[in-house]
Amino acid sequence: GENVEQHPSTLSVQEGDSAVIKCTYSDSASNYFPWYKQELGKGPQLIIDIRSNVGEKKDQRIAVTLNKTAKHFSLHITETQPEDSAVYFCAAASGGGADGLTFGKGTHLIIQP
Amino acid sequence: KAGVTQTPRYLIKTRGQQVTLSCSPISGHRSVSWYQQTPGQGLQFLFEYFSETQRNKGNFPGRFSGRQFSNSRSEMNVSTLELGDSALYLCASSSGQGARNEQFFGPGTRLTVL
Repeated sequence: GENVEQHPSTLSVQEGDSAVIKCTYSDSASNYFPWYKQELGKGPQLIIDIRSNVGEKKDQRIAVTLNKTAKHFSLHITETQPEDSAVYFCAAASGGGADGLTFGKGTHLIIQP
Repeated sequence: KAGVTQTPRYLIKTRGQQVTLSCSPISGHRSVSWYQQTPGQGLQFLFEYFSETQRNKGNFPGRFSGRQFSNSRSEMNVSTLELGDSALYLCASSSGQGARNEQFFGPGTRLTVL
């Protein structure tokens, strides 16, 4: 089955700086890659996603890039703000999506004031 | 549009008991997936229901089961609870079948097994 590795597990950045979280996947048949933000006491919130026919997607301060050849994708957050502090998860859907989403272990993003 | 709702939010049970969790998807969504979240294993896929039928299943024992009703609401049942079943159980709703469709998560049910 699919395996998703996520790095780093903790990331501390100064407010206003950029943050980058990286994920790799193992199944070349995977073609949908969402990113979720989870705040304390809440469920994961979908913040951006990308499909394998696209190399990059941007939504305001958030962008995701995908390299199918290397099987890795990344989340980029620019001009970080205190409200960006949370745990971020990458995920992949393999095959026909029949195995559900396979998640990375998460990155705890800390925005230092 | 109201989001995904889950009840109850918190539950405490003892080993050997069984438990039923409920999930109401976003209006118009026909797919409900269930995930288990633990500090050690992270988020793991349990199963997906679409149009009242279980379509996909993750690698969990048969003690974990579910069902979906005609209004798309879903319930998940865990029988003969074990200490290791303590976790946050999340449901996600989607307009289409399969994980390649955008999935929207509820707040989860925190289950503690004593």
